[in-house]
Amino acid sequence: DAEITQSPRHKITETGRQVTLACHQTWNHNNMFWYRQDLGHGLRLIHYSYGVQDTNKGEVSDGYSVSRSNTEDLPLTLESAASSQTSVYFCASSGQGEGIQYFGAGTRLSVL
Amino acid sequence: KNEVEQSPQNLTAQEGEFITINCSYSVGISALHWLQQHPGGGIVSLFMLSSGKKKHGRLIATINIQEKHSSLHITASHPRDSAVYICAAYSGGGADGLTFGKGTHLIIQP
Repeated sequence: DAEITQSPRHKITETGRQVTLACHQTWNHNNMFWYRQDLGHGLRLIHYSYGVQDTNKGEVSDGYSVSRSNTEDLPLTLESAASSQTSVYFCASSGQGEGIQYFGAGTRLSVL
Repeated sequence: KNEVEQSPQNLTAQEGEFITINCSYSVGISALHWLQQHPGGGIVSLFMLSSGKKKHGRLIATINIQEKHSSLHITASHPRDSAVYICAAYSGGGADGLTFGKGTHLIIQP
């Protein structure tokens, strides 16, 4: 069965360190998204991609970057982790821009 | 930017009760999504609709485009329905056009 997996599921890091969260999907979807979820907020879009070599900034992109070298993977990098980036991160993919998105299980990141 | 409001924020009900969760949005949309987030954190898409009503098992989603309002109903609720229910409104313009509500935390007591 097709799926979307995130790793690691939990991560603790220190401020200033570079951190990369992995996202891998086997749906063969062109569209992939990264969101963060915080108390008091809905899911907020960090970055997204519509295909290989395509990346776009979302609503809360500062301090984050992504790269898309193949269809299956969209890793999210925190260049220099900050305590404000403590959050739960979700990766998602879809076959259409406004279509149903399939979510990964999430990565809980703590920046100390 | 679309403003998406859900009500109630929290809802506790007894098993068997009919549940209604509401979602309103400020800008015209082309699609409305309902998602379910399990206690373990996983998010599953329940419905995507642009008009009328959709039904899947005990779940029913309706949308009134003129009123800018959607509802999610659960009939014969069960403790396994306990979850956070999230609506998201798509108003066009690519991925940036999808705005999520803050969610409704539902607890069904046996």
